[in-house]
Amino acid sequence: AQTVTQSQPEMSVQEAETVTLSCTYDTSENNYYLFWYKQPPSRQMILVIRQEAYKQQNATENRFSVNFQKAAKSFSLKISDSQLGDTAMYFCAFMAYNTNAGKSTFGDGTTLTVKP
Amino acid sequence: EPEVTQTPSHQVTQMGQEVILRCVPISNHLYFYWYRQILGQKVEFLVSFYNNEISEKSEIFDDQFSVERPDGSNFTLKIRSTKLEDSAMYFCASSDWGTPNEQFFGPGTRLTVL
Repeated sequence: AQTVTQSQPEMSVQEAETVTLSCTYDTSENNYYLFWYKQPPSRQMILVIRQEAYKQQNATENRFSVNFQKAAKSFSLKISDSQLGDTAMYFCAFMAYNTNAGKSTFGDGTTLTVKP
Repeated sequence: EPEVTQTPSHQVTQMGQEVILRCVPISNHLYFYWYRQILGQKVEFLVSFYNNEISEKSEIFDDQFSVERPDGSNFTLKIRSTKLEDSAMYFCASSDWGTPNEQFFGPGTRLTVL
């Protein structure tokens, strides 16, 4: 079974600054996907960024980037130029590669507050 | 852009009542999922569904739960006799045959059991 750990229940950052959210995971799988989801107060789950484990290059989506360390089983999210709209709960998630329906395993989440 | 939709957005029910939560996945998707999030807690996998049968289910998905794809567009989650602890946000998700690992989540249904 896979586990996902987010060790920071809460984080805060000043607007325009950079913040890094941590995530570690445990798995015996070799092929898998990792995700960061954003959940604003509306509670909708929004995919922020995704990383395939077989890719060495770290994924980037505009102001969001990841630091994927496969050997260390670490998958942190960096938010650059933080904006007030980034205030939300952020979940790290793991999914084993599966040609059929795959399930995601989520971490406990990190509440991020961006301060003006 | 296609999206997953869920109805109702909020459902209030009495303990012991049956509820049906409805989802309309993205039209060409073939894999369907239900997740649950109790307030303030992590998102938990309930069940996945493919080719008109359950692919995988978690320990949470006991005999009180069932899923169905009654027609070509809807995907439902039924809770036969609700308990207080079933109060949660329920998310439906779907994914395509070509990219089963890319799940698209609906906006969720907030279930409150009184």
